Amino acid sequence: SQTIHQWPATLVQPVGSPLSLECTVEGTSNPNLYWYRQAAGRGLQLLFYSVGIGQISSEVPQNLSASRPQDRQFILSSKKLLLSDSGFYLCAWSVGGLYQPQHFGDGTRLSIL
Amino acid sequence: GQSLEQPSEVTAVEGAIVQINCTYQTSGFYGLSWYQQHDGGAPTFLSYNALDGLEETGRFSSFLSRSDSYGYLLLQELQMKDSASYFCAVKGMDSNYQLIWGAGTKLIIKP
Repeated sequence: SQTIHQWPATLVQPVGSPLSLECTVEGTSNPNLYWYRQAAGRGLQLLFYSVGIGQISSEVPQNLSASRPQDRQFILSSKKLLLSDSGFYLCAWSVGGLYQPQHFGDGTRLSIL
Repeated sequence: GQSLEQPSEVTAVEGAIVQINCTYQTSGFYGLSWYQQHDGGAPTFLSYNALDGLEETGRFSSFLSRSDSYGYLLLQELQMKDSASYFCAVKGMDSNYQLIWGAGTKLIIKP
C-alpha cells in the first residue's frame, strides 16, 4: 500500500532563517506531488505541484521554492522566512489523471518568531 | 475567476442527518470533491462527483448539480467522531486543473 511521510511535525524558526521541509511517498511510481499551506480556520492554498522529476509548477509567487530531486521526494524550501510564512504545510500525492483523489501527509506546523 | 462558498459552521445532534452545501464558480468544471479534516490532522478524501447526481459511500453521500453549480455532502446517522471540518474543492480550467478549496465547514455534533 502507498504511504506518505512528511517531517518534521512541528517547527519553530526565527524570521530570516532558512527552511527545508521534506516529503516522501512509498508504494507508487511517478506520483503527482503537491505542497499546500493552510492558515488557521481556512482552506488549503496550493503552493507547488509536480508531475515528474524536476518539473515544478508554482501557483503562488513568494519566497518559497520547491524541488523534486527524486521520483518520490518533494522538498519545500526558503532562503529567508517571513512572519507571514507561518502556517500548516501539507504534502500530498495522487495518481496522474483529472479524477484522482489526493492523499495527504500528516503536515508540518510552522511557527515563525 | 474561481470561487467556492460553504457555510462556516453547522451544528447537529448525534444520530441525525446533516447537509453541508457548496456553491462554486469556475470555468471548465472537472469535478467537485469533498474532504474531511479533524482538528490538527490532515485532510482525507471522502468523495468525488464529476457528473450530476448522488454518490453514496456508507453513511456519507455527495450530490452534484452542474447546471446550478452546486453540490452538497450528506452525513447520516451522525456519530461524535464525525465532528470535523469538511471542505469542498473543485477542479477547473481557471486553476489549471488543480484543486481550489473552499474555506471549510466546521461540523459540531452535540450528544
